[in-house]
Amino acid sequence: DTGVSQNPRHKITKRGQNVTFRCDPISEHNRLYWYRQTLGQGPEFLTYFQNEAQLEKSRLLSDRFSAERPKGSFSTLEIQRTEQGDSAMYLCASSLDQGGYGYTFGSGTRLTVV
Amino acid sequence: EDQVTQSPEALRLQEGESSSLNCSYTVSGLRGLFWYRQDPGKGPEFLFTLYSAGEEKEKERLKATLTKKESFLHITAPKPEDSATYLCAVQASGGSYIPTFGRGTSLIVHP
Repeated sequence: DTGVSQNPRHKITKRGQNVTFRCDPISEHNRLYWYRQTLGQGPEFLTYFQNEAQLEKSRLLSDRFSAERPKGSFSTLEIQRTEQGDSAMYLCASSLDQGGYGYTFGSGTRLTVV
Repeated sequence: EDQVTQSPEALRLQEGESSSLNCSYTVSGLRGLFWYRQDPGKGPEFLFTLYSAGEEKEKERLKATLTKKESFLHITAPKPEDSATYLCAVQASGGSYIPTFGRGTSLIVHP
């Protein structure tokens, strides 16, 4: 297993377009998390899954954001009608249970909305 | 609401000049405190978990300590390859255990 994989690494899109990111977690990890990080800030929690169930969403997550984890394997994060404020690094992480041994993060997807 | 404050925001050291980074937190019952290292353009890399006051963890030139209100990451005789942003995160007991991250300390070690 080579860790958490995220694709694409970079995405440039025009305002108003929809974008989708993919995350492949470590195979034995049952929890998967999405975070967003902007320059000079720490990662900000968006949502997480335990297996295929989406158990929590941040109240900061607008209705334009949706995430899925079919069959409890990979996950996708979709942003509809992108806005310039959506420009950020989107990080995926996975853990075994509640992550007492820390999360394993992917390298992220850098989104730029022009 | 859980709060995590890291200081300083940025730190420049000469190679071999030891120092400490601070993470102060407010949480209703601490389940765990985490330290991560983040290199530019990459995701955070897990370093340590601390669970109770008085606990210490070490890895190479890094040592993390925990009190009831804060944690320190001590860097002994740093090298240029230690340059990175160091993030602290706290996990509250109860609920979903989703950690809250601080803004990080950007460390630059000059040769």
